[in-house]
Amino acid sequence: DIVMTQTPLSLSVTPGQPASMSCKSSQSLLHSDGKTYLYWYVQKAGQPPQLLIYEVSNRFSGVPERFSGSGSGTDFTLKISRVEAEDVGVYYCMQSRQLPGTFGQGTKLEIK
Amino acid sequence: QVQLVQSGAEVKKAGASVKVSCKASGYNFTDYYMNWVRQAPGQGLEWMGVIHTSGGGTSYARKFQGRVTMTRDTSTNTVYMELSSLRSEDTAVYYCARGGFGNAFWSGEDYWGQGTLITVSS
Repeated sequence: DIVMTQTPLSLSVTPGQPASMSCKSSQSLLHSDGKTYLYWYVQKAGQPPQLLIYEVSNRFSGVPERFSGSGSGTDFTLKISRVEAEDVGVYYCMQSRQLPGTFGQGTKLEIK
Repeated sequence: QVQLVQSGAEVKKAGASVKVSCKASGYNFTDYYMNWVRQAPGQGLEWMGVIHTSGGGTSYARKFQGRVTMTRDTSTNTVYMELSSLRSEDTAVYYCARGGFGNAFWSGEDYWGQGTLITVSS
């Protein structure tokens, strides 16, 4: 199974400041079809997860431009250019390069 | 519009089984995989398995093999997840999440059920 490791586990950021979190996979997520199957989700209290980024760097419909994803192979990063109060939640990376799908343990974003 | 509507919360005794349903609407049911993800209280997301809604084939996370069964009913566009030999650690919110089509069991879309809380009591 591919293990997804996220760091840090928690992050406290002042509104207006940037935030960055990392996700590393135990194997490359690059598929033979040329795509890299790495997703970022945010989960807010009491809600199902919400997709932010798919295939490393593609913002999902309606996701603010302050969210960006980057990386390749086994190392990936989610950045928020200027954190807003509404960004509080737990951020998860997830891989679907191969079965079974696996999630990282999550990074909890708090606002100072 | 795509909707996934799950069955309601349940309380089960340890050792029992539970069957959660996920009724899909708004798209061609058999074109897309369906996944199940769970989340224990205060814990992270855990992928449990996936079903190919057209052929019925399944793939389960190693942790759940032997205890989980995913099935579908194409006449009612409903997917089921049954978990047996329940223990307290199975107390969690269980989500269905639409996957991809073709060979893609997951997708860059964002369709989730509302979640079903299963509480296992001893």
